[in-house]
Amino acid sequence: DTGVSQDPRHKITKRGQNVTFRCDPISEHNRLYWYRQTLGQGPEFLTYFQNEAQLEKSRLLSDRFSAERPKGSFSTLEIQRTEQGDSAMYLCASTGGGTYGYTFGSGTRLTVV
Amino acid sequence: QQPVQSPQAVILREGEDAVINCSSSKALYSVHWYRQKHGEAPVFLMILLKGGEQKGHDKISASFNEKKQQSSLYLTASQLSYSGTYFCGTGTGNQFYFGTGTSLTVIP
Repeated sequence: DTGVSQDPRHKITKRGQNVTFRCDPISEHNRLYWYRQTLGQGPEFLTYFQNEAQLEKSRLLSDRFSAERPKGSFSTLEIQRTEQGDSAMYLCASTGGGTYGYTFGSGTRLTVV
Repeated sequence: QQPVQSPQAVILREGEDAVINCSSSKALYSVHWYRQKHGEAPVFLMILLKGGEQKGHDKISASFNEKKQQSSLYLTASQLSYSGTYFCGTGTGNQFYFGTGTSLTVIP
């Protein structure tokens, strides 16, 4: 198992464009999370999936953000009409739950210009 | 809902010890600890369950006081490789929040 994979690693986009990120979790992990992290801050919770069901979404998340996890495998995070404030590292993490911690991907660094 | 960590930053010489604290305004049922090196993703260190304490690897251990809604991470005889930002994390399965972070720098 190669761990949690995220693609792309870096994304530069113009303000107003839409972007989509992909996360491939560890195959046996049924729980998947998306976080956003800005410089010097801890990861900020965005949304949570258990299998294909999106069970929680942060109230801080605007309606420009949407996430899916079809078939309970990989997940995508889409940001529509990007703004400069969206510039951040977007991290995906998966876990099997219980006493297991979260395994993070390397993240996608988004820069909105 | 975000746990608060203290100190915000600490600088140690190799071989010195450090303690990082994590406090929550909500009841804690479990606490995770992670270390993040610059430009990398957070890496899981250990989990502490309610009423328990679990030792991690190397000379890093942690305690959990659910009455005080606090957890502490202990780094003993620090090594250069311990440098990074440490985060505690807590929550339910649906929502999991990371702390404010503690930057640890170990110098020779």
